[in-house]
Amino acid sequence: DQQVKQNSPSLSVQEGRISILNCDYTNSMFDYFLWYKKYPAEGPTFLISISSIKDKNEDGRFTVFLNKSAKHLSLHIVPSQPGDSAVYFCAATTGNQFYFGTGTSLTVIP
Amino acid sequence: EAGVAQSPRYKIIEKRQSVAFWCNPISGHATLYWYQQILGQGPKLLIQFQNNGVVDDSQLPKDRFSAERLKGVDSTLKIQPAKLEDSAVYLCASSLDPRGAHGYTFGSGTRLTVV
Repeated sequence: DQQVKQNSPSLSVQEGRISILNCDYTNSMFDYFLWYKKYPAEGPTFLISISSIKDKNEDGRFTVFLNKSAKHLSLHIVPSQPGDSAVYFCAATTGNQFYFGTGTSLTVIP
Repeated sequence: EAGVAQSPRYKIIEKRQSVAFWCNPISGHATLYWYQQILGQGPKLLIQFQNNGVVDDSQLPKDRFSAERLKGVDSTLKIQPAKLEDSAVYLCASSLDPRGAHGYTFGSGTRLTVV
């Protein structure tokens, strides 16, 4: 049972434009949502998180939006840079249970 | 701050053989996790330790996988005997917050190939 889903396996964006990565979840008990970035041959790196009591969290070029009624999470990267090319994992947690999505591979084209 | 150290980086073994992975978390991080990431999938939690106690091992295939964290610092994950479907990257992570809500720090992983 996939409780966190990333339905787009890949995304290509021009440098300088906005990248929008999407994530859907099914469990209304999740209380924190996180985004991780993963380069090949490296472990995932924590990027940004949001509490379920908020609807937006911003950190530099990265903004995460949470729509609880739609059970939908998105990560916006503005402006996108070639170094942002990586696989992005959405994750959600409640208590000790932690669930990852399958990832979206972002390619930023110079 | 030193990151999460894992070794080896790569391991190739034949099915039915045994293998062990080692993890050294960030100093002071009481919570340690082992994840299995199969190609094309998100990481799957195998086991979570809080200090040297097991918090969650519900997804650990206990007939062949075992893990320990002696003295609440380093941890080892063992597979005995290995199967072809165990081919994956095994990631170790640690966090200050036992809920992991503010992010984990992951190691670079051990890529296991079972042939």
